[in-house]
Amino acid sequence: AQTVTQSQPEMSVQEAETVTLSCTYDTSESDYYLFWYKQPPSRQMILVIRQEAYKQQNATENRFSVNFQKAAKSFSLKISDSQLGDAAMYFCAYGVTNAGKSTFGDGTTLTVKP
Amino acid sequence: DAGVTQSPTHLIKTRGQHVTLRCSPISGHKSVSWYQQVLGQGPQFIFQYYEKEERGRGNFPDRFSARQFPNYSSELNVNALLLGDSALYLCASSLIGQLNQPQHFGDGTRLSIL
Repeated sequence: AQTVTQSQPEMSVQEAETVTLSCTYDTSESDYYLFWYKQPPSRQMILVIRQEAYKQQNATENRFSVNFQKAAKSFSLKISDSQLGDAAMYFCAYGVTNAGKSTFGDGTTLTVKP
Repeated sequence: DAGVTQSPTHLIKTRGQHVTLRCSPISGHKSVSWYQQVLGQGPQFIFQYYEKEERGRGNFPDRFSARQFPNYSSELNVNALLLGDSALYLCASSLIGQLNQPQHFGDGTRLSIL
């Protein structure tokens, strides 16, 4: 069974600094996607960044970047120049490309200190 | 354009009752997925529908059922409610139900069972 593990229930970062959130996953599939979602207290889940497994280049979206280690089944999220608005629950998720189901980790609560 | 809309926002039921949750996808999206998010955990996949047919089902009992209508909106039905059904129920829509297309989430329905 596919599983997603986020080993850091809570993380904190000082405003303007960099933080890395960890995620590992388990799968026997070769064609899949990995995602990071942000869920603020207002609760709408927002896609932050996604990575296609067959692409070796790490995805980047402005201040957000990933470190995708396929052999190690690791997918960490780096947030640079952290802002107060980055405070939220962050979920790592996995899904097989030709299916619509995503498997989520249990999340990491990120606090940003002014 | 309107995002994914879910109704109602909040719902309180008692054990043994039945509940229907509704979801309208983004215009043009033909796939809808349902997730259950228990407090403190990541979302768990319940169902996916594409073109009005069930495409995937998670590990939930038969008390949970869903359907998709010709306009691509969807209903999630839960019978014989249990205390453990208390959760945030999320709906996500995408163009064709494959993960190479982004999923867009609604704000969710908060279901409380007394």
